[in-house]
Amino acid sequence: AQSVTQPDIHITVSEGASLELRCNYSYGATPYLFWYVQSPGQGLQLLLKYFSGDTLVQGIKGFEAEFKRSQSSFNLRKPSVHWSDAAEYFCAVGANGNKLVFGAGTILRVKS
Amino acid sequence: NAGVTQTPKFRVLKTGQSMTLLCAQDMNHEYMYWYRQDPGMGLRLIHYSVGEGTTAKGEVPDGYNVSRLKKQNFLLGLESAAPSQTSVYFCASSADNYGYTFGSGTRLTVV
Repeated sequence: AQSVTQPDIHITVSEGASLELRCNYSYGATPYLFWYVQSPGQGLQLLLKYFSGDTLVQGIKGFEAEFKRSQSSFNLRKPSVHWSDAAEYFCAVGANGNKLVFGAGTILRVKS
Repeated sequence: NAGVTQTPKFRVLKTGQSMTLLCAQDMNHEYMYWYRQDPGMGLRLIHYSVGEGTTAKGEVPDGYNVSRLKKQNFLLGLESAAPSQTSVYFCASSADNYGYTFGSGTRLTVV
């Protein structure tokens, strides 16, 4: 069965510093991969997705992610973090039947 | 541009009470889903539907029932609420390409 692991429960970075959030997946075939962001008290917003093709995917708000099949990873990156990026981030993999399987999430804190 | 609307937004139930959460979408999506979100556990799929009149169990279906009598609506029912069902519930809908649109959530507390 498909699964997603986000090893970091919390991450704290300084404003202006770079960010990398880790995501590892388990899936037999070529996966469909996603990153979502959730601000406090809000629903989930799609940041970016990977279906096929170029393994470096650009998303909204200056985020990007790189698919590495050999490492079963889909890490999220941002070169310079803004205070407004503080939120919880979820990695997800597409499962059969158009379902999404989510990781446990990583809470990002930004210190000024 | 309503998207996915969940009602109610907040609810407090006593153990053993029943309730229904309503999810409505106006995008003509075939697929609809109910997830629950708990701290440190991400979102877990409760039930889902691949079209009007169909429902299927997800990862954590026990204690919940669903119905999709109309394409635009997906109802989640709790027959006898338990404290373990205290959670934030999210509904989502999608076309056939994992293009999910999420509702804003229902925060349920069972005391």
